[in-house]
Amino acid sequence: GAVVSQHPSRVICKSGTSVKIECRSLDFQATTMFWYRQFPKQSLMLMATSNEGSKATYEQGVEKDKFLINHASLTLSTLTVTSAHPEDSSFYICSATRTRSYNEQFFGPGTRLTVL
Amino acid sequence: GEDVEQSLFLSVREGDSSVINCTYTDSSSTYLYWYKQEPGAGLQLLTYIFSNMDMKQDQRLTVLLNKKDKHLSLRIADTQTGDSAIYFCAEKNTGFQKLVFGTGTRLLVSP
Repeated sequence: GAVVSQHPSRVICKSGTSVKIECRSLDFQATTMFWYRQFPKQSLMLMATSNEGSKATYEQGVEKDKFLINHASLTLSTLTVTSAHPEDSSFYICSATRTRSYNEQFFGPGTRLTVL
Repeated sequence: GEDVEQSLFLSVREGDSSVINCTYTDSSSTYLYWYKQEPGAGLQLLTYIFSNMDMKQDQRLTVLLNKKDKHLSLRIADTQTGDSAIYFCAEKNTGFQKLVFGTGTRLLVSP
């Protein structure tokens, strides 16, 4: 149990376009989902915390108008990178915690975004 | 603020034990985690330890926690080539959901 999927796994887009990444908890309900960004050979940087039915909480320095997060159901959160630029190219990973079990985060397989 | 540090690289031979170390600064950390990341993949939770414990064993994995020195280690017994990956330690406070990750240790296991 506790499987998290992400779609797409890879996406290449042109500069100026918007890209949506989906994160789904497949076999459990996730009250909270997290979005991370990872640059090559670096650690994960938390971008935002997303609670179902409420606005996401963004970490300092993360532009909420650029990285739109929607957590409309207990099994789905989406991250939309708006007006993407080459510097947004990165590996985006989501994670989720089960309802009433906040001590374990289960991670998705990640989405590689390349902006040309 | 919170800071979690790890050595960047560890190389061992197949069959040997591997020990990956981690230090953290937040004395109110209550949960400490080890995650494994294979190339191009997400993170796999290996194990975690509550701060009132000093050791936890799970098959080939042994976690040791020295709370006084804020030092956490992960020992992998009988290391296999399939254990080659990046290992991240992370810490979390009770009541907060945010994980703070270390820099990651790249483990290379040679035959």
